[in-house]
Amino acid sequence: EDQVTQSPEALRLQEGESSSLNCSYTVSGLRGLFWYRQDPGKGPEFLFTLYSAGEEKEKERLKATLTKKESFLHITAPKPEDSATYLCAVQASVPGNTPFVFGKGTRLSVIA
Amino acid sequence: NAGVTQTPKFRILKIGQSMTLQCTQDMNHNYMYWYRQDPGMGLKLIYYSVGAGITDKGEVPNGYNVSRSTTEDFPLRLELAAPSQTSVYFCASSEGQAYNEQFFGPGTRLTVL
Repeated sequence: EDQVTQSPEALRLQEGESSSLNCSYTVSGLRGLFWYRQDPGKGPEFLFTLYSAGEEKEKERLKATLTKKESFLHITAPKPEDSATYLCAVQASVPGNTPFVFGKGTRLSVIA
Repeated sequence: NAGVTQTPKFRILKIGQSMTLQCTQDMNHNYMYWYRQDPGMGLKLIYYSVGAGITDKGEVPNGYNVSRSTTEDFPLRLELAAPSQTSVYFCASSEGQAYNEQFFGPGTRLTVL
């Protein structure tokens, strides 16, 4: 069974204090790993897709990396507006339709 | 483009009542999805559709029904509402399934009392 585990559940940072969020996954062949940001009361918003181990993608203060077992979302010098829940999802590489499996998310709070 | 829209935003139901959650997308996406999100839990897939007239069950389909008569619309029907269906419901769409990001609507917060 495909599984996604995100850690920590919650993270509190001071503004400017860099850190990383973890997404560990078990999947029968990875088609893609996705990172989303979700603000309170809103739907998830797409951030990145990673396809193969060693791949990295960046967007402003965020950088996502991928290994064969986990992905990290690195946040450099965060600002209060980066506060949100970050969701990780995987899609298995098997024939047919394979819906995404989501983790429970990491709730990030950045304090000014 | 409005993207993915959902109605209503909030709804309170009594046990045993029925309702339909509406979802519309204007991006001409073939794939559409319904998820539920409970507090502290990840998104759970209820049903999905790969095109008009084609639907399939996700991880938690019991108590729900869907239909897909057009590319744009993907309504979710709750029959005989139960307290366990209290949740936030998100509709999403994607251009394809492989390698494609999903675009999410703003959600419907449903309470069953």
